[in-house]
Amino acid sequence: KAGVTQTPRYLIKTRGQQVTLSCSPISGHRSVSWYQQTPGQGLQFLFEYFSETQRNKGNFPGRFSGRQFSNSRSEMNVSTLELGDSALYLCASSLGDRGSYEQYFGPGTRLTVT
Amino acid sequence: AQSVTQLDSQVPVFEEAPVELRCNYSSSVSVYLFWYVQYPNQGLQLLLKYLSGSTLVKGINGFEAEFNKSQTSFHLRKPSVHISDTAEYFCAVTRGGATNKLIFGTGTLLAVQP
Repeated sequence: KAGVTQTPRYLIKTRGQQVTLSCSPISGHRSVSWYQQTPGQGLQFLFEYFSETQRNKGNFPGRFSGRQFSNSRSEMNVSTLELGDSALYLCASSLGDRGSYEQYFGPGTRLTVT
Repeated sequence: AQSVTQLDSQVPVFEEAPVELRCNYSSSVSVYLFWYVQYPNQGLQLLLKYLSGSTLVKGINGFEAEFNKSQTSFHLRKPSVHISDTAEYFCAVTRGGATNKLIFGTGTLLAVQP
C-alpha cells in the first residue's frame, strides 16, 4: 500500500504571497491532519479533517485554512505569507474511526518564505 | 489539556550500548501514547504505540516502551543501539474520542557514536 504523499516537497515563496500544499492519504484512510514543524515551536497541530469536515483546529491565525475532498485528499492554504511561516508542513492520515488513533506521516513540504 | 515532556534534548550513546529516552505526560483524561522517529529531511515514522492492554509494548527496529500510569511516563528503550538509530525521537499523546490530534514533546536527538 502506498504511503502518504505530499506535494510539492520544497517551495520558496515571497512574503505576502499565498501557497497551497497538497496531501494524499493512505488508501482507505478518511482522516487527514496537518502539523507545522519549526525549530523554535516544534511540532504543532494545525487542523484535522474527517469525511470532508474539519473536526479539530489548532491555535493558528485565520490565514491558515484547509479542506478535504471526497476522495480524502486534502489541501492546506496559507495566505499573506510571513517570514515566520517558514517551516516543514507535515500531513498525517489515519482511518479516522474511534479506536484507530495511529497516524501515518508523509515526507512533508519544506516551505521557505523570503 | 494534555502536555508531553521529553526531559533530554540530546542523548549521546556509544554503538551497541543500551539507551532510554524519557517521556512524561500530563492529562486529566486517559490518553493514548506514541513514539515517532524522524530521520533528517524526512517525515515521522511510527515506532510504537500504547492504546490499551499490556503496559510493555514492542515496536519496530528493536525498540520497546513501558507505560507507567502512576508515574505518567512512557519511556522508550533499546538494549543495543546502532549507528543507524541516530535520529530525532518524538513522544506524542492523544486523548482520542472524536479527534486524532497529537500533542508532541520537544523531541530527543539520539546521537549514536562508534
